[in-house]
Amino acid sequence: SQQGEEDPQALSIQEGENATMNCSYKTSINNLQWYRQNSGRGLVHLILIRSNEREKHSGRLRVTLDTSKKSSSLLITASRAADTASYFCATKAGANSKLTFGKGITLSVRP
Amino acid sequence: EAQVTQNPRYLITVTGKKLTVTCSQNMNHEYMSWYRQDPGLGLRQIYYSMNVEVTDKGDVPEGYKVSRKEKRNFPLILESPSPNQTSLYFCASSYTDYTEAFFGQGTRLTVV
Repeated sequence: SQQGEEDPQALSIQEGENATMNCSYKTSINNLQWYRQNSGRGLVHLILIRSNEREKHSGRLRVTLDTSKKSSSLLITASRAADTASYFCATKAGANSKLTFGKGITLSVRP
Repeated sequence: EAQVTQNPRYLITVTGKKLTVTCSQNMNHEYMSWYRQDPGLGLRQIYYSMNVEVTDKGDVPEGYKVSRKEKRNFPLILESPSPNQTSLYFCASSYTDYTEAFFGQGTRLTVV
């Protein structure tokens, strides 16, 4: 069953703008991860944030986690055309649970 | 270079003809898994393996088999492929099931 659900399903912005993508989940988690997928290719890991963390940064990426609201957001600052891709959140609950992916957000960055 | 390698990248086959998709990782990861990706359904886990000789079903295991005889390899076997197994398949590995996953480039399978 799907745990993480991303919002919006699709996002189109101009190069240089910021892109914010959201992920909501239903049950308690150990960690939440964000991945990027360029068309038809393998997923690439972006950031992992643990349940006891509230914010993490990696370059132009900023991820927040609010466990009380069971939600996370991925912010890409100063977007580039090369950021055009699908973005997935994935949640990992406790032991013996699998990494569960949402259906993804399609981000288009217009030059 | 650390990577997960899947082969083949593209495969067209006929219903009922057994096939194997290979997956190999060079990072000494314990955890490996197979996913299929279909439009509107996202990624769904087929099988996973916590370590050598330890495998278990994911969300959609019907029609698939796996084996984990060596740590680096985790082949996906379709004994009798059917058209509803037409999909994009990904192998992934991670150090443990709590850490980030590394994905292969995918295998686009068409069963006619």
